[in-house]
Amino acid sequence: ETGVTQSPTHLIKTRGQQVTLRCSSQSGHNTVSWYQQALGQGPQFIFQYYREEENGRGNFPPRFSGLQFPNYSSELNVNALELDDSALYLCASSQDRDGEKLFFGSGTQLSVL
Amino acid sequence: AQSVTQLGSHVSVSEGALVLLRCNYSSSVPPYLFWYVQYPNQGLQLLLKYTSAATLVKGINGFEAEFKKSETSFHLTKPSAHMSDAAEYFCAVSSVSGGYNKLIFGAGTRLAVHP
Repeated sequence: ETGVTQSPTHLIKTRGQQVTLRCSSQSGHNTVSWYQQALGQGPQFIFQYYREEENGRGNFPPRFSGLQFPNYSSELNVNALELDDSALYLCASSQDRDGEKLFFGSGTQLSVL
Repeated sequence: AQSVTQLGSHVSVSEGALVLLRCNYSSSVPPYLFWYVQYPNQGLQLLLKYTSAATLVKGINGFEAEFKKSETSFHLTKPSAHMSDAAEYFCAVSSVSGGYNKLIFGAGTRLAVHP
């Protein structure tokens, strides 16, 4: 059973650029959720993808978008980066869209300069 | 709306001492509650969860938490702290709406364990 893997582990971008973060779900999981964890705060829900469709969204602007692929891997895209986008981005997979048990990856640390 | 409040952003204990991390929740429906641990440069690991079965929940690494509806609390305890328990701990409540489930996290409590 493979875990949730995220890439890259660290990333530095400048304001206004675009970034793509990647996540491979745990084997057998069809749902992926993305969370943003700013420094000193708890993770905040960005959105969830279930069977390649966005299934729910938190309070994040449209420049945060995602994709889920047929193999259930996922991408998080952020356009027009702002300084406040600097954070740890966590991907979590679950067996179903209302599954209560999430398996988290180690995250991608994004720094926006 | 559901929310979680963790009392104390930093807690420091001696090795072998009792660990008590506080969490209060707000929920209009019977909540599902969780404790996660985050070690440096790692993701979140589930310690334990409450899903309306027994009010005293036992988790991994010797941690347990008690759900108290009257106090809207779900405090995390461990009888004897170990150096390896030093980490950030997050309490979370599950919010299910519109066919999807998301976790609402508290701000976290950083636990330091000193010799």
